[in-house]
Amino acid sequence: SQQGEEDPQALSIQEGENATMNCSYKTSINNLQWYRQNSGRGLVHLILIRSNEREKHSGRLRVTLDTSKKSSSLLITASRAADTASYFCATTRSQGNLIFGKGTKLSVKP
Amino acid sequence: EPEVTQTPSHQVTQMGQEVILRCVPISNHLYFYWYRQILGQKVEFLVSFYNNEISEKSEIFDDQFSVERPDGSNFTLKIRSTKLEDSAMYFCASLFVAGGETQYFGPGTRLLVL
Repeated sequence: SQQGEEDPQALSIQEGENATMNCSYKTSINNLQWYRQNSGRGLVHLILIRSNEREKHSGRLRVTLDTSKKSSSLLITASRAADTASYFCATTRSQGNLIFGKGTKLSVKP
Repeated sequence: EPEVTQTPSHQVTQMGQEVILRCVPISNHLYFYWYRQILGQKVEFLVSFYNNEISEKSEIFDDQFSVERPDGSNFTLKIRSTKLEDSAMYFCASLFVAGGETQYFGPGTRLLVL
């Protein structure tokens, strides 16, 4: 089964607006992570939220986790053009390997 | 800040040729991974490696693939006979402890098979 399905697939907003991306998964998890990928580049870890946590903040990022609904959201507040990238959620398997979703492509227009 | 490095950044090869992709994980990390991302698609897990052996592999990781940690620093992915569909970005990642910590990714190797 696929883990970490994000929506929307693409999101276009103006600089200064907030961006919300959602992720759903199918099986139980130990934690869920969000990564960012600039076009054609590597993956940058943004934030990890454990299964016993409901919300976590890091700078302009806010992540929520609802294990009863098997879903997570990533909120980027006061977006900047530099936030333009693809964002992926990933769930962690027992050996530590990550199962990624298809990602949300965020475009922030100046 | 320590980081995962990968070489080469780009590689072009002919179908049927062998390629070796190299990674230097973060020095005190114990778990190592390879992932691939076909252009425009999601990142897919290939293999995990711990204590000098494969701990888990996906169905993508068939007999054409192998991994090795030939010394204390390098972690390699070998594709014995490349196919067109092996064209992808290959990412190496490392982790200190399995089960709850952050996985650090390298910048990737873009492999193009002609």
